[in-house]
Amino acid sequence: DTGVSQDPRHKITKRGQNVTFRCDPISEHNRLYWYRQTLGQGPEFLTYFQNEAQLEKSRLLSDRFSAERPKGSFSTLEIQRTEQGDSAMYLCASSSQATGENEKLFFGSGTQLSVL
Amino acid sequence: AQKITQTQPGMFVQEKEAVTLDCTYDTSDPSYGLFWYKQPSSGEMIFLIYQGSYDQQNATEGRYSLNFQKARKSANLVISASQLGDSAMYFCAMSPDQTGANNLFFGTGTRLTVIP
Repeated sequence: DTGVSQDPRHKITKRGQNVTFRCDPISEHNRLYWYRQTLGQGPEFLTYFQNEAQLEKSRLLSDRFSAERPKGSFSTLEIQRTEQGDSAMYLCASSSQATGENEKLFFGSGTQLSVL
Repeated sequence: AQKITQTQPGMFVQEKEAVTLDCTYDTSDPSYGLFWYKQPSSGEMIFLIYQGSYDQQNATEGRYSLNFQKARKSANLVISASQLGDSAMYFCAMSPDQTGANNLFFGTGTRLTVIP
């Protein structure tokens, strides 16, 4: 396991459809984060998990968005009834409290979502 | 509320020269963390350096150093001996406490181009 893995890399969908993204963090990392990045902007925090517990959610995360991390390993981010404004790069990151470097996030390459 | 300002949309530097990327911040939190990330064209965010608000010394990581001036609320990144591979977007970010990288707030970034 060499890094954070995200699937798919690209997703094109029609407005109103549901989409789900998957993130596999670095094994033994207990914290997992989701961010969203639009063109020309820095990433925006969406939510984070410590093990399987979702500890914080941004107000940006509308009720159409839901994230899970059922066994404290991989995570999924689902967007229901997609809108064109959801088009963005969705980034996943992980970190480990145990190593004492919990300030260091390791990011995946992201899932680029295009809503037509 | 937190705010990160990166006033340089683009910067150019000659290979082997040093370059400073500016970052100013605003927060009402008594303790906070400051970060720099690099995003090459592949899209993956790469952690570069971290500074805690109570750290007395400026952080250094190899060719990267963070010029932390608390009174001025600035956290500039200095890259010494620039290399062609340093060409990328650079993002300054802040977390609301020093306990980790939870809920990072990013600036809009600076695109650095290293000229051979």
